Amino acid sequence: QVQLVESGGGLVKPGGSLRLSCAASGFTFSDYYMSWIRQAPGKGLEWVSYISSSGSTIYYADSVKGRFTISRDNAKNSLYLQMNSLRAEDTAVYYCAREAYDYSNLKGYGMDVWGQGTTVTVSS
Amino acid sequence: EIVLTQSPATLSLSPGERATLSCRASQSVSSYLAWYQQKPGQAPRLLIYDASNRATGIPARFSGSGSGTDFTLTISSLEPEDFAVYYCQQRSNWPPGGTFGQGTKVEIK
Repeated sequence: QVQLVESGGGLVKPGGSLRLSCAASGFTFSDYYMSWIRQAPGKGLEWVSYISSSGSTIYYADSVKGRFTISRDNAKNSLYLQMNSLRAEDTAVYYCAREAYDYSNLKGYGMDVWGQGTTVTVSS
Repeated sequence: EIVLTQSPATLSLSPGERATLSCRASQSVSSYLAWYQQKPGQAPRLLIYDASNRATGIPARFSGSGSGTDFTLTISSLEPEDFAVYYCQQRSNWPPGGTFGQGTKVEIK
């Protein structure tokens, strides 16, 4: 079945680094744009980063720009998020999500498949 | 940045009642608005896209309406499994993924 499974979360000190992974299965990963979204404890959803199907187009939220790097390996059906210079405010559950795409109007219309999330805690 | 404001923050209703959730955008997003449902400890689930289209497998009791800056998610008759938090997300400047509203919690009265 269509599935996304995140891994790599954990406890890290401020200023430290983590690399999150997202393994995709059940669909042709290389056909889809992907995003990372996070949710701080007890808070709402925040879009973090986006990558096109080929990896050629990338965007970041201002809150993580210059510190986080998104990438993908289509041969391994995997999405990654390298997080450097971590801060306490980066503490959150991180979800990877598939972008559903409407080929008739060339637009992503929503995130239709989500992983279960991986927890990142930044604390000394 | 487009800001989405959801109201009310909490909606207390009984099973079988009708739920009406609002999402207002700080500027027009045309019809590029999605709704998600999130239950405790679970990932969000896409309910509605392009303001009024139900995603695959979503029951007909969920409906969306609106365009421009004002949008509504309606649950015609609440089932026990519908008590959750609902988020709207604007997609007008996709890519990348757009901003989310702060959420509306639908709780059992």
